[in-house]
Amino acid sequence: QKEVEQNSGPLSVPEGAIASLNCTYSDRGSQSFFWYRQYSGKSPELIMFIYSNGDKEDGRFTAQLNKASQYVSLLIRDSQPSDSATYLCAVNNAGNNRKLIWGLGTSLAVNP
Amino acid sequence: GAVVSQHPSWVICKSGTSVKIECRSLDFQATTMFWYRQFPKQSLMLMATSNEGSKATYEQGVEKDKFLINHASLTLSTLTVTSAHPEDSSFYICSAKVGSQPQHFGDGTRLSIL
Repeated sequence: QKEVEQNSGPLSVPEGAIASLNCTYSDRGSQSFFWYRQYSGKSPELIMFIYSNGDKEDGRFTAQLNKASQYVSLLIRDSQPSDSATYLCAVNNAGNNRKLIWGLGTSLAVNP
Repeated sequence: GAVVSQHPSWVICKSGTSVKIECRSLDFQATTMFWYRQFPKQSLMLMATSNEGSKATYEQGVEKDKFLINHASLTLSTLTVTSAHPEDSSFYICSAKVGSQPQHFGDGTRLSIL
């Protein structure tokens, strides 16, 4: 069974702190990695995607990928209350390039 | 860019009726569209993958005769919930992508069957 695992949380951080969200995956053939944010009652919104080992930064967000250890993480710097949401990790591989395997999501609460 | 439009946003209807939901990619031609269902406080559940001009691929346990998917063009896919019943009430979300690019989601349709 190809799986993507996330800590369900809730992860609680104070405003201005760094929030660190982690995701592990079981399929070593995975090649594309995505982070989506989902506010309650809304649809997912793409935050970051990463294909290569290392870090990828976009504004306050940094995605980190380590294929050897099979984990991908998302760092949110200077966390704001508006970042409070569920963060979904999704993965796909070359064998089935269209379908994503989804984690169950980590709930993040940023406290003012 | 990468805007996906989904209509309607809300549907309330009587048990036994059929409901059609539209998903459009507004500023790109989607090679693949996906249909998801999400129950409250649960994760996304992929229902089917749809490619333009071909039959949809349904996930295990999803009834293809109940959830009809038509992908008539590179910018439009529809999901029809046939003979809907209260247990079909859920949040239905479509997404679209081109090639190996990320999936982009519509705003979702909240379906309530009375």
